[in-house]
Amino acid sequence: DTEVTQTPKHLVMGMTNKKSLKCEQHMGHRAMYWYKQKAKKPPELMFVYSYEKLSINESVPSRFSPECPNSSLLNLHLHALQPEDSALYLCASSQRGTAQGEKLFFGSGTQLSVL
Amino acid sequence: DAKTTQPPSMDCAEGRAANLPCNHSTISGNEYVYWYRQIHSQGPQYIIHGLKNNETNEMASLIITEDRKSSTLILPHATLRDTAVYYCIVRVGLQNSGGYQKVTFGTGTKLQVIP
Repeated sequence: DTEVTQTPKHLVMGMTNKKSLKCEQHMGHRAMYWYKQKAKKPPELMFVYSYEKLSINESVPSRFSPECPNSSLLNLHLHALQPEDSALYLCASSQRGTAQGEKLFFGSGTQLSVL
Repeated sequence: DAKTTQPPSMDCAEGRAANLPCNHSTISGNEYVYWYRQIHSQGPQYIIHGLKNNETNEMASLIITEDRKSSTLILPHATLRDTAVYYCIVRVGLQNSGGYQKVTFGTGTKLQVIP
């Protein structure tokens, strides 16, 4: 299994809603990532988890709250979002243990629209 | 991480080789060159990476100049399914990264394969 699975594929939410994005992988990877991608722009790193601990937070607003409950699962909790947060949210994972660097495995993303 | 420069767009005829250049004149000795691509509405996909030797896999070939200041990704027989944005990324390998990859995407090259 070399897949990173993201659910839901599409999400529409109001500015007062609370929702969560889910990401799952069963490749034994111990690093997991959230990226945000606006239309026609490159992906931007938001968070990195390594061994279920938050290692990088790229100054992301607190209305985005990541959670890594176990080594296979990564969540992104959303609350009080703004319309400008509408974007494609991508999850990725990677495996440590190779001396020549790692490759990221990406999911297909969740297309989020905030109304 | 070293900065990369790529042309914003390129066209390639179907069946011909696609040669995508990348300049990374500030690359350090311990930094690798990685290539990813992103097909529309999907997550980025790892293609290939290398340090200083040329590399080939089932997807592509990577040619790195002797001074390592530039590289070329070669898709030997481009198909319509190769139409995508191609990202060249330069960064350190696993042993210097703390076990995870802080991958920063530049603007990439939009490759259009023409029938």
